[in-house]
Amino acid sequence: DTEVTQTPKHLVMGMTNKKSLKCEQHMGHRAMYWYKQKAKKPPELMFVYSYEKLSINESVPSRFSPECPNSSLLNLHLHALQPEDSALYLCASSRGLAGAHHSYEQYFGPGTRLTVT
Amino acid sequence: SQQGEEDPQALSIQEGENATMNCSYKTSINNLQWYRQNSGRGLVHLILIRSNEREKHSGRLRVTLDTSKKSSSLLITASRAADTASYFCATDVIKGRRALTFGSGTRLQVQP
Repeated sequence: DTEVTQTPKHLVMGMTNKKSLKCEQHMGHRAMYWYKQKAKKPPELMFVYSYEKLSINESVPSRFSPECPNSSLLNLHLHALQPEDSALYLCASSRGLAGAHHSYEQYFGPGTRLTVT
Repeated sequence: SQQGEEDPQALSIQEGENATMNCSYKTSINNLQWYRQNSGRGLVHLILIRSNEREKHSGRLRVTLDTSKKSSSLLITASRAADTASYFCATDVIKGRRALTFGSGTRLQVQP
C-alpha cells in the first residue's frame, strides 16, 4: 500500500469555525509533512513530524495546530482562519528525514481544498 | 526565499515533441528530486538524482544535474497528452533544515 489518504477532499469553513484535516499512511514511514499550496505556486512546507515528534515548524500561525497521534496518522487542527488561508493542503510522508548524504522520496496525498469564508 | 527557480514557467508543445524544463538552485545540495502534479492533485515523485550523479534515466524521463552551475534539467521525450501537468524540482540542502524546498514549477501543456 503506497497510498497517503486525506480527508476531507473539500472543506468550506467560516472564520469562527474549528475543523480538522486528517492524513493517514500505512507504509511504515516515520516522517510526515503538511504543506500549503496556493494556485500556480509550489507547495510551502508548514510542519514536519519525525517519529511522531514535531521536527520543523515553519513559523506557521498558531491558528494551525498539528498533531501526530501515532505513526500512521497526522492531523491539522484549524481555528479562527482567515480568507487568505484558503488553499490546497497537502500531506506527505517519507521513510525518514533527509540525512547528511541521503534523501527520501515523499509520497503525497491528494490534498484537501480548503475555502475560508 | 525559493531555493529552486524553474524555467520556463509555462511550456506548450505538441504530442510527440520533447519537453525540457530547467531548475536552478542557490546552495549546495544533497540530492535533487523531480515531482509531477496534475491539476489540483497531490504530487507524484518522478526521479531522484544524487549530488554525485550527472545524469539519470527513467523511461521517457532524462534528468541531468550540474552541481558546478547549480542547475538541473528534466527532459520528457515523445510527450503525450497525459504528460500535461506541473513539474517541480525539489532540493534538500547539505546544511540546514532536513526538508525539501520546491522550485517555482513549470506548467506543461501537451496538445494532442
